[in-house]
Amino acid sequence: GNSVTQMEGPVTLSEEAFLTINCTYTATGYPSLFWYVQYPGEGLQLLLKATKADDKGSNKGFEATYRKETTSFHLEKGSVQVSDSAVYFCALRGGATNKLIFGTGTLLAVQP
Amino acid sequence: DVKVTQSSRYLVKRTGEKVFLECVQDMDHENMFWYRQDPGLGLRLIYFSYDVKMKEKGDIPEGYSVSREKKERFSLILESASTNQTSMYLCASSFGTRFYEQYFGPGTRLTVT
Repeated sequence: GNSVTQMEGPVTLSEEAFLTINCTYTATGYPSLFWYVQYPGEGLQLLLKATKADDKGSNKGFEATYRKETTSFHLEKGSVQVSDSAVYFCALRGGATNKLIFGTGTLLAVQP
Repeated sequence: DVKVTQSSRYLVKRTGEKVFLECVQDMDHENMFWYRQDPGLGLRLIYFSYDVKMKEKGDIPEGYSVSREKKERFSLILESASTNQTSMYLCASSFGTRFYEQYFGPGTRLTVT
């Protein structure tokens, strides 16, 4: 079945450091891929998406490229800020299903 | 801005009690979802609804039921709460065919003792 695997956290970085959060997936066909973010005390919100191979999703300085050959969708940001501290979830929607499959989430803590 | 509200942020119930979790969205979204979030397991879909009075089982529906009598409101019901239903419950909504662009409420942390 479809599944998403994320790197375990927490990831602790200093402000202005480079961020990578790894995400790999297993799916039949051609899934759509997403990153959601959950700030402290808030609900999840969609951060970015990619719907086909080699697409790059981007938003708020974050980027992720849909790599079919490595079944990956790693999240990157060139310079993190304290305000980026949150839990990040990788997710996929596979085939004809209308359901999202979420990873376990990765906690990012950015220190000043 | 889309707003999804949940009736309680924290709830403590006893084993065997009937529990109602309420969710309301204000953007006229057709689709509504209930998830539970547990450490190490991520989000798991309990039930979803794509229209009033319509519902479909998600991945873990056992021990839960839902009700959607009005478009803006989606209720999750634990008929007889058990300790293994202690969890964070998240409600979400989305518009039409855009199932993937879900807007989430802040969650209800339910403790069953």
